[in-house]
Amino acid sequence: GAVVSQHPSWVICKSGTSVKIECRSLDFQATTMFWYRQFPKQSLMLMATSNEGSKATYEQGVEKDKFLINHASLTLSTLTVTSAHPEDSSFYICSARDTGGPYGYTFGSGTRLTVV
Amino acid sequence: KQEVTQIPAALSVPEGENLVLNCSFTDSAIYNLQWFRQDPGKGLTSLLLIQSSQREQTSGRLNASLDKSSGRSTLYIAASQPGDSATYLCAVRPPGNTGKLIFGQGTTLQVKP
Repeated sequence: GAVVSQHPSWVICKSGTSVKIECRSLDFQATTMFWYRQFPKQSLMLMATSNEGSKATYEQGVEKDKFLINHASLTLSTLTVTSAHPEDSSFYICSARDTGGPYGYTFGSGTRLTVV
Repeated sequence: KQEVTQIPAALSVPEGENLVLNCSFTDSAIYNLQWFRQDPGKGLTSLLLIQSSQREQTSGRLNASLDKSSGRSTLYIAASQPGDSATYLCAVRPPGNTGKLIFGQGTTLQVKP
């Protein structure tokens, strides 16, 4: 089945630094990938839609200058949390859809970001 | 604006019981609905995908139904096992080409041995 690999699985960083999270589709090409954020005991909220070769589309209320998204190839999208603050601590999950398969959306394993 | 609600928020059952998780959505215009499983601190695993034209899907001990007109879906788990303990999320995909999913809050299931 379709597999999405997300790295790192967890990261701790200091306030003010930037953190990059990678999302790769391993056995299919994804022109579109999605970035979600999940706070403890809450559901997933879509942050942005990553489009290969063009600008990402951000959901209302999500700061595009803070959450930089790059989708430079058909198998890789990155999310960079810039100038991270403790309130950015959360679980970030990416997903992609293998349009050639029956699995709907496939999700990465998530990245636990802790900003200290 | 589409909203997805899952009831109950948490459920604890003894091993072997059959159980039903509920998902409701406010706008019946959906492209499809998908059920996921999430283990603590992990990503999501797709369980079942129901297209808007379908009524149900089955995979092993899992059966998901969809009643678009009433805005409801149920996930039926037969003969529950401790390994089924996880959070179950339903998500709807609105029509159109945005591709994004709208998630419910999830039902956290605990199956006791």
